[in-house]
Amino acid sequence: QKEVEQDPGPLSVPEGAIVSLNCTYSNSAFQYFMWYRQYSRKGPELLMYTYSSGNKEDGRFTAQVDKSSKYISLFIRDSQPSDSATYLCAMSDVLASQGGSEKLVFGKGMKLTVNP
Amino acid sequence: DTGVSQNPRHKITKRGQNVTFRCDPISEHNRLYWYRQTLGQGPEFLTYFQNEAQLEKSRLLSDRFSAERPKGSFSTLEIQRTEQGDSAMYLCASRLTGFTEAFFGQGTRLTVV
Repeated sequence: QKEVEQDPGPLSVPEGAIVSLNCTYSNSAFQYFMWYRQYSRKGPELLMYTYSSGNKEDGRFTAQVDKSSKYISLFIRDSQPSDSATYLCAMSDVLASQGGSEKLVFGKGMKLTVNP
Repeated sequence: DTGVSQNPRHKITKRGQNVTFRCDPISEHNRLYWYRQTLGQGPEFLTYFQNEAQLEKSRLLSDRFSAERPKGSFSTLEIQRTEQGDSAMYLCASRLTGFTEAFFGQGTRLTVV
């Protein structure tokens, strides 16, 4: 079993739809949870990050973490064609100050297409 | 542009040849990471540096791979005796210690023929 599981899709939605992306993980040491967006042939760019459980909202994007279920989600409201990209969840354990490497463990990525 | 810079962007090489990639991180970032991403997969950690010290290497990093970060500035990743299975996107990321955003470069796409 991989440490981080993510449905690779692809997912195709109409413009304006609410999109839900999810990842599950097995390593209970993960404390930092991130969502990256990656356009074709580009490097990943950070969308959102959260620490421990809870919700975080940034504009049309909401990230949720449920550590008890080892489950994280990203919601995109009012999706736009410009949101079409691959979305990667990523996780990290302890900080460098606690002896951690802060390396990221990624899911496979979900390819999203938002149709006008 | 003050982001993470990777060169070359694309590299095609014949099996058995050696290749070297370069990463120039954001100047004040003390941590530098190398990841490998194959088609349809997320990036996988290869190795990281804190300043000039290489602190961790993944088991993915076989003896044919070597990475350096002289003087804690730019980094190079060398692959010796390339194999077709080495074909992938090689990504570099940099950050400051203490959980802050990791900035990724555009990657170097390697094709081994």
